[in-house]
Amino acid sequence: AQKITQTQPGMFVQEKEAVTLDCTYDTSDQSYGLFWYKQPSSGEMIFLIYQGYYDEQNATEGRYSLNFQKARKSANLVISASQLGDSAMYFCAMRELLSNTGNQFYFGTGTSLTVIP
Amino acid sequence: KAGVTQTPRYLIKTRGQQVTLSCSPISGHRSVSWYQQTPGQGLQFLFEYFSETQRNKGNFPGRFSGRQFSNSRSEMNVSTLELGDSALYLCASSPGFGGGGTDTQYFGPGTRLTVL
Repeated sequence: AQKITQTQPGMFVQEKEAVTLDCTYDTSDQSYGLFWYKQPSSGEMIFLIYQGYYDEQNATEGRYSLNFQKARKSANLVISASQLGDSAMYFCAMRELLSNTGNQFYFGTGTSLTVIP
Repeated sequence: KAGVTQTPRYLIKTRGQQVTLSCSPISGHRSVSWYQQTPGQGLQFLFEYFSETQRNKGNFPGRFSGRQFSNSRSEMNVSTLELGDSALYLCASSPGFGGGGTDTQYFGPGTRLTVL
């Protein structure tokens, strides 16, 4: 079974609008962390935001926020006030903290976001 | 702090050759992980090194190997290259000690390997 599922291969958003990128995860670990990364066409993976399983509040980092619903095992990324520079691939990732996997991250297949002027 | 650096950035090899890729982590980070990214398979975990020891390994053949030096720099080696090894190889560094957000992985720019 996939540990991370991103069901939106591609998304379009108008500049200055908000957009939500979906991510669901599957783990039997009682302790885990969830991450979002941005990958522009240059290839480098840029860390955006982190959510711990224990966090009661949704994480926020500037224009990025994470809509964390533990019971539904979802960790959707919300980008507010989209900018042209937000056009990129976005990956959701998970680290299981109790399994014997060291610092291995599991990644989803990504969502390609295009911001339209 | 300087970020993660990877060398070389681009590489062209032919089938049967071997290749060595290098990764220098962020200063103070002791964990280095390697990932292979292809259009068909996405991001796949290769292995992780922490304090010169391989801590975890993904499902790749033995042609893929790695090591880590005492200064935390890491190399990965692919022997007997195949066409399917063409990919973007990403290295990520993290402190390696704790759980959760303290072990966020920070990625380098990647090495794009083309096998002809």
